[in-house]
This record gives sequence, structure tokens and C-alpha cells, in this order.
Amino acid sequence: GENVEQHPSTLSVQEGDSAVIKCTYSDSASNYFPWYKQELGKGPQLIIDIRSNVGEKKDQRIAVTLNKTAKHFSLHITETQPEDSAVYFCAASTPLSGGYNKLIFGAGTRLAVHP
Amino acid sequence: NAGVTQTPKFQVLKTGQSMTLQCAQDMNHNSMYWYRQDPGMGLRLIYYSASEGTTDKGEVPNGYNVSRLNKREFSLRLESAAPSQTSVYFCASSGTGAYGYTFGSGTRLTVV
Repeated sequence: GENVEQHPSTLSVQEGDSAVIKCTYSDSASNYFPWYKQELGKGPQLIIDIRSNVGEKKDQRIAVTLNKTAKHFSLHITETQPEDSAVYFCAASTPLSGGYNKLIFGAGTRLAVHP
Repeated sequence: NAGVTQTPKFQVLKTGQSMTLQCAQDMNHNSMYWYRQDPGMGLRLIYYSASEGTTDKGEVPNGYNVSRLNKREFSLRLESAAPSQTSVYFCASSGTGAYGYTFGSGTRLTVV
């Protein structure tokens, strides 16, 4: 079945450093790759996404890269701040009939940014 | 714009009791989903509804039932709660095509 692997499971960085989270997916039909941030006690929130016709997308300190050939995509956070501390999930879409899609989630990465 | 609203936010059940978790979205989304999240673990899909009138099983459907009441509402029912169903439950919705989900704030359920 479809699968998304996410690494690392935990990541600890100093404030101001960069953080990188990597994911691989198995379904070659996947064409949409969102990233979610989950703060303690809250639901996951979409922070950035990328579609398969784009190799890279950036939004301020956050960027996502996609390598369709290798079925890899990554989240890059630069100049990390304590408020970036959270659990991050990657996901890959799997098409369903009728034009609908289902997201397959990675297991999550707990990022801790230390002042 | 409320997005996805889940009720209740917290619930404690005794083993064997039943309850229904409610979810409503106001974004005119076609698809809705129920996930559970256990401590230190990721999101596991319980059931989903790709469109009004359809429901399908996800990874962990045993012990649950769902109802897509209308386009806005998607409920999750536990007929006979078990301690293994202690978890945080999230409802989500999405538009047609490859779009990200909007999640609710979750229901924290404890079964004793």
C-alpha cells in the first residue's frame, strides 16, 4: 500500500540554526505534498505545500523541495526560532476515483529549538 | 469563518459506553476525514467520506462507525468504548482534487 516515511523522528537545534526534515513516498501517482505543523494541544495546520510540477517553493523562512524521480521531498526551516518548536508532518496525496484524493501522512518529526 | 468545528473537546467514558463525536465544516468541502492520534504517534485514518453519501474505511476502522449526515457534517460513533480507544480524535475536510486538509482542534477522549 501507499507509504510515507519521515526522518528524523526528533530534531534538536539551536536558535538561528537551520532544520531539515526529509520524507520519501511510495505512490508514483502522488502529485501533491503538504507539510503540517502541530503545536501542543492543537490540530495540525498547513504551513506549506508543493505540487509535482514544481521543484521548490519558498515562503519566508520555510522552503520545500521535491525530487519526483527519487520520490523525496524535504522541509527546510532557516533561522529557527523557539516558536518553531512543534511536531511537523509531511504528507503525500493518493488519488481516489471521482477526482478526490487522500493524504498519506508521515509519522512526524518533533522539532525542539533551544534559545 | 469557523473552518472545522469538533465537539466535544474533552470526554471521559467508561468501558462499554457509547458516544458520538461531532464534526462540522463551513468551507463547502466535499471530503471529510476522521483520524486518531496516540501519544508519540502520527495520524491514523479511521474513516473518510470522499463526497456526500459515501464513506470508506481507513487504516484503523474497527470499533468505529461513521455517518455523513450532509455535506457539512461527519460524525464518528463508538458503539462500545474500550480503553484502547483512548486517543485524540481529529476531523478534517478538503476540497475536490489534490488540496490540503483543514483540521479541527481535536477531541481528547479517555476510556476508563
